[in-house]
Amino acid sequence: GAVVSQHPSRVICKSGTSVKIECRSLDFQATTMFWYRQFPKQSLMLMATSNEGSKATYEQGVEKDKFLINHASLTLSTLTVTSAHPEDSSFYICSASGITGILRDTQYFGPGTRLTVL
Amino acid sequence: DAKTTQPPSMDCAEGRAANLPCNHSTISGNEYVYWYRQIHSQGPQYIIHGLKNNETNEMASLIITEDRKSSTLILPHATLRDTAVYYCIVRVRGDDKIIFGKGTRLHILP
Repeated sequence: GAVVSQHPSRVICKSGTSVKIECRSLDFQATTMFWYRQFPKQSLMLMATSNEGSKATYEQGVEKDKFLINHASLTLSTLTVTSAHPEDSSFYICSASGITGILRDTQYFGPGTRLTVL
Repeated sequence: DAKTTQPPSMDCAEGRAANLPCNHSTISGNEYVYWYRQIHSQGPQYIIHGLKNNETNEMASLIITEDRKSSTLILPHATLRDTAVYYCIVRVRGDDKIIFGKGTRLHILP
C-alpha cells in the first residue's frame, strides 16, 4: 500500500516550452501533496505544498507563475513548468500524505521525474 | 534549515549492522523523528518513525535517547541494496512539510 506514481519518468523539451508532470496516489486519498526538486549531488528542496481544492503554498524563492500547481482531486496533483529554460533542468519529486492513521503520519514519495531542457 | 545533524558518510561491511546516528538537540515535545532513505535517482523511501519509544519494523530499528536529543537508525544486516543517502528528519506528524538536510551517504562494502 501507499504507492505514489509520477508521469512521465523522464522528459526532454526545448527551451520556452511548458511541461506538465503528474503525481498520483494510487491506493490512498491524499489531502496534501508536496513538490520537491533536486539538483545533482544536492538534497531535496521543497518547492510547494498543495491541499486538495485550494491554492498551493510556495516556498520562498519559488516563482508561483512559473511552477503552476493544481491539486484538483484527492489522488492527483500536477506541476507545470512554464516557459522552461535549461536552468529548470532537475529531478522533480512529489510526495503525498493521507487522511488517517499511518497514511496521515507519513509522506510517501513518488519515483521522480527527470526534466532536461535543451 | 534542517533541524538535524548527521555525519556526511559512513561505511559498513555487508552482513553487519549499520548504525546511523542523528543529533536533534532542539527537538520539540510534539515532534517525531522520521528516517527516509534515497537510493540513487529514485524518490525517498520511508523507513521508520518514532516519538520517544524505540521502534522496530521489517526494515530497521530506531533507538531514541531518553532526552530525545539524538537517535540511531539500525539496519540489522546490511546488504549492498542498502547503499543510499539516509535522512533523519524531525517534524510534527501529519501533513507537516519535510525540510531535508544533507543526510548520511551509507556505503555498504562487499
